[in-house]
Amino acid sequence: SQQGEEDPQALSIQEGENATMNCSYKTSINNLQWYRQNSGRGLVHLILIRSNEREKHSGRLRVTLDTSKKSSSLLITASRAADTASYFCATCRSNDYKLSFGAGTTVTVRA
Amino acid sequence: NAGVTQTPKFQVLKTGQSMTLQCAQDMNHEYMSWYRQDPGMGLRLIHYSVGAGITDQGEVPNGYNVSRSTTEDFPLRLLSAAPSQTSVYFCASSYNYNMIQETQYFGPGTRLLVL
Repeated sequence: SQQGEEDPQALSIQEGENATMNCSYKTSINNLQWYRQNSGRGLVHLILIRSNEREKHSGRLRVTLDTSKKSSSLLITASRAADTASYFCATCRSNDYKLSFGAGTTVTVRA
Repeated sequence: NAGVTQTPKFQVLKTGQSMTLQCAQDMNHEYMSWYRQDPGMGLRLIHYSVGAGITDQGEVPNGYNVSRSTTEDFPLRLLSAAPSQTSVYFCASSYNYNMIQETQYFGPGTRLLVL
């Protein structure tokens, strides 16, 4: 079964606006990772946040992690047309060597 | 570095046929894995390997075999293809099996259609 669940399933925003998506998971984790997938392509790693971290930044990306609520959020600021993609969270559980992916959030940035 | 490469890019099979999806990486990564991606379901782990000669099952292993004779290659075999195996298959690798600090590098995918 999938560990992570993203919300919303789809998001449409205007260029320059911020995009926020959330990920909830079920069991204890070592880390949580966010990936981007452009249409028809493989996934690209965006950012990794460890279970003892609460917030992390990378360029226009901001990720938060709340282990008490078993949830994470990904914020993309000042969105661009090139940010149009599907975004997936993936969790690494504490007791194995596997990543478990959610179903993803599809983001469309309108010019 | 070429990164993670997958062949073929697209394949059509008839039910019952067998085939091997190839995956190779030139980054000397210990950890390799196979996922399938179906609409609305994200990626599901099929098999993974923490090093040459070591493989283990993921979430959806039935109908698939793997082997890892070298660090570089991790082929996925479909023994008797079924329409339910129509999907996009991704191979991924990371430096080692300690996932705590690791990210995974994905190949471009193989689109498989089973008729």
